[in-house]
Amino acid sequence: AQSVSQHNHHVILSEAASLELGCNYSYGGTVNLFWYVQYPGQHLQLLLKYFSGDPLVKGIKGFEAEFIKSKFSFNLRKPSVQWSDTAEYFCAVNARAAGNKLTFGGGTRVLVKP
Amino acid sequence: GAVVSQHPSRVICKSGTSVKIECRSLDFQATTMFWYRQFPKQSLMLMATSNEGSKATYEQGVEKDKFLINHASLTLSTLTVTSAHPEDSSFYICSTTSGGASGTQYFGPGTRLTVL
Repeated sequence: AQSVSQHNHHVILSEAASLELGCNYSYGGTVNLFWYVQYPGQHLQLLLKYFSGDPLVKGIKGFEAEFIKSKFSFNLRKPSVQWSDTAEYFCAVNARAAGNKLTFGGGTRVLVKP
Repeated sequence: GAVVSQHPSRVICKSGTSVKIECRSLDFQATTMFWYRQFPKQSLMLMATSNEGSKATYEQGVEKDKFLINHASLTLSTLTVTSAHPEDSSFYICSTTSGGASGTQYFGPGTRLTVL
């Protein structure tokens, strides 16, 4: 079975700082990778996803993520955060052999101070 | 992406009662929906996969007799928490998938259940 780990539980940073959230998964087969964001009081929204092709994927709101197969990683980045990026971020993986079932990481709470 | 609604958004009930939560796919037909549970400050855990017209597939450790899932139409799946107890208090979230082996999931706003 696959598992997903997110290294940071909480991140606090100031506006304009750069953000990088780590995500590693354990599964030997082919995977699809996702980052979801949950703003306070709102539902999960898809930030970006990787299925195949260019390992550097760009998502909404200036976010991007890089799939490094050799490291089983899919880290999320944003060069300059805004106060409105305060949210909880979840990395998720689905093993193609398991159909559409998603396994989520533990989440990272990001607080951007104005 | 797909639009998913859940009803109710919040429910408070007494221990021993049953609660039904609805999940609707508003803008496309969903043959598959997923039900998750999220404890405070924790991640989402998949409870079951709901398949239209057939029985749901439950994850290991989830009691199928306690969490009844019905997916009678392509736009509606329901989760009924039977004989609820305080430990069932949680945030329940459903999602639909855009289909295919690599379908993206779109999530509903969740239902917060509090069992007194």
